[in-house]
Amino acid sequence: AQSVSQHNHHVILSEAASLELGCNYSYGGTVNLFWYVQYPGQHLQLLLKYFSGDPLVKGIKGFEAEFIKSKFSFNLRKPSVQWSDTAEYFCAVEMRAAGNKLTFGGGTRVLVKP
Amino acid sequence: DADVTQTPRNRITKTGKRIMLECSQTKGHDRMYWYRQDPGLGLRLIYYSFDVKDINKGEISDGYSVSRQAQAKFSLSLESAIPNQTALYFCATSGTTGGPNTGELFFGEGSRLTVL
Repeated sequence: AQSVSQHNHHVILSEAASLELGCNYSYGGTVNLFWYVQYPGQHLQLLLKYFSGDPLVKGIKGFEAEFIKSKFSFNLRKPSVQWSDTAEYFCAVEMRAAGNKLTFGGGTRVLVKP
Repeated sequence: DADVTQTPRNRITKTGKRIMLECSQTKGHDRMYWYRQDPGLGLRLIYYSFDVKDINKGEISDGYSVSRQAQAKFSLSLESAIPNQTALYFCATSGTTGGPNTGELFFGEGSRLTVL
């Protein structure tokens, strides 16, 4: 069965530090890729997505992600985090043959210290 | 007002009780989903529906049932709740009406269920 792995469960860093969250998936076919964010006490919302084209995609709030097909990876980055980036981040993969059913990774809790 | 509304937001119940979580949406989307969120496990799909007459099991459907009463309403039932169904439940929608599916899910605020 297809799976999505997020390597870090918890990340703690200081403001202005750079952030990179890893995401790998196991599926050999064509995929759509997403990062969702869940701020404390809130529902999930879309951060960015990749369907095709330029493998480096930019999302809201200064986040970007790079799709590396050969590594089955879609890592999320932000050059300089803020306290307000404290949240849980979820990678999600849609196997196109599966018709818009997303498989989510386990999530990474990010704590940004002021 | 929220586009995807879940009720109740919090519920504490006892083992063996029947529980229904309701979801309604004003986005006009045809596709609706129920996920549960557990720490470290991310979100797992329970059931999904691509239109009113379409119901499909997700990866963890055992112990759950659903009803798509209308395009805008999708309810999740636990016929006999057990403690390991304690979780945060999310309803989500996505749309294909009038154009290509964007793939984006729109989530409700979540329903926190505790089964004692």
